[in-house]
Amino acid sequence: AQSVTQPDIHITVSEGASLELRCNYSYGATPYLFWYVQSPGQGLQLLLKYFSGDTLVQGIKGFEAEFKRSQSSFNLRKPSVHWSDAAEYFCAVGLTGGGNKLTFGTGTQLKVEL
Amino acid sequence: NAGVTQTPKFRILKIGQSMTLQCTQDMNHNYMYWYRQDPGMGLKLIYYSVGAGITDKGEVPNGYNVSRSTTEDFPLRLELAAPSQTSVYFCASSGSSGSEETQYFGPGTRLLVL
Repeated sequence: AQSVTQPDIHITVSEGASLELRCNYSYGATPYLFWYVQSPGQGLQLLLKYFSGDTLVQGIKGFEAEFKRSQSSFNLRKPSVHWSDAAEYFCAVGLTGGGNKLTFGTGTQLKVEL
Repeated sequence: NAGVTQTPKFRILKIGQSMTLQCTQDMNHNYMYWYRQDPGMGLKLIYYSVGAGITDKGEVPNGYNVSRSTTEDFPLRLELAAPSQTSVYFCASSGSSGSEETQYFGPGTRLLVL
């Protein structure tokens, strides 16, 4: 069965610093990978997704992620973090075929220090 | 478009009570999903639907029931509430079964069972 691991439960960065959130997956076929963000009291919003082509994908709010098949990773990055980026971030993998079901990681809580 | 809406936002139930969590989407999406989110955990799929009249179990369906009589609505029913069902419930929808398809989430319903 597929699984997603986000090894960092909490991360604190200073505003203006760079950010990298880690995501590793286990899946037998070519994965469909997503990053979602959840602001406090809100639903999840899609940041970006990868399903084929260029392994570096750009998303909203200045985020990007790189798919590395050899490392089974899909890490999320941002060059300069803003205080409004404080939120919880979820990596997810989608199954090929069968209803677009997603398997989520446990999330990384990002705190931004001013 | 309102997107995906959920009601209520918050509810307290006593053990053994029943309730229905409402979910409506106005994007004419065929696919709809119910997830639960527990502290420190990723989202777990409860049930999903591929169209009106068609539903299927997800990863954690026990204690829940769903129906899908229209494209727009996908209510989740708890028949005999238990403390283990204390959680935040998210409804989502997507336009197709494609694994690259984005899921759009509602703002969630916070449920406390005492």
